[in-house]
Amino acid sequence: KAGVTQTPRYLIKTRGQQVTLSCSPISGHRSVSWYQQTPGQGLQFLFEYFSETQRNKGNFPGRFSGRQFSNSRSEMNVSTLELGDSALYLCASSLAGQGFGYTFGSGTRLTVV
Amino acid sequence: AQRVTQPEKLLSVFKGAPVELKCNYSYSGSPELFWYVQYSRQRLQLLLRHISRESIKGFTADLNKGETSFHLKKPFAQEEDSAMYYCALVNTDKLIFGTGTRLQVFP
Repeated sequence: KAGVTQTPRYLIKTRGQQVTLSCSPISGHRSVSWYQQTPGQGLQFLFEYFSETQRNKGNFPGRFSGRQFSNSRSEMNVSTLELGDSALYLCASSLAGQGFGYTFGSGTRLTVV
Repeated sequence: AQRVTQPEKLLSVFKGAPVELKCNYSYSGSPELFWYVQYSRQRLQLLLRHISRESIKGFTADLNKGETSFHLKKPFAQEEDSAMYYCALVNTDKLIFGTGTRLQVFP
């Protein structure tokens, strides 16, 4: 079956702009999580959605937001981009979250210039 | 606070040598721990879950609650094991990752 799909793969944006990233989970998976990966901070949790509800949120500013649709697809939005937002953004899906293991997508590489 | 520590940024061994990637955690309660691996230019993928007590690609990991450790071991390293390895802890539906250890296996 198809894995976790993230689009786009690469993105270049200018400071101050906003961006939307998309994630399609594995069919049947209802939990979608987002992570930011940077060389300096490593892998950091952004938020997790289950059945269209945000269940958990990491320590990121309010500029980072997300949502999940009824088909479990999820989007992540970052407004007023800063240079420090340049990172690989990873999406992970799971049947129901904790305890079921998480499958990761290839990520979206965001570069802010 | 929940935390995962991987003390080694880089571990270099020769093919056929034993490997141990260290992972220590801080967690109040019964932890659920994973090892993830990221090969060059590939996505992050699950290697092991502690509750499964399985061996994948010759790797094993045992949870030691007394020492709060979940070290990853393989008796004989292969060149194809060269990758970035991350230890992770699950806490209320989020993964807390360690900083990762790069394993280099030389021929």
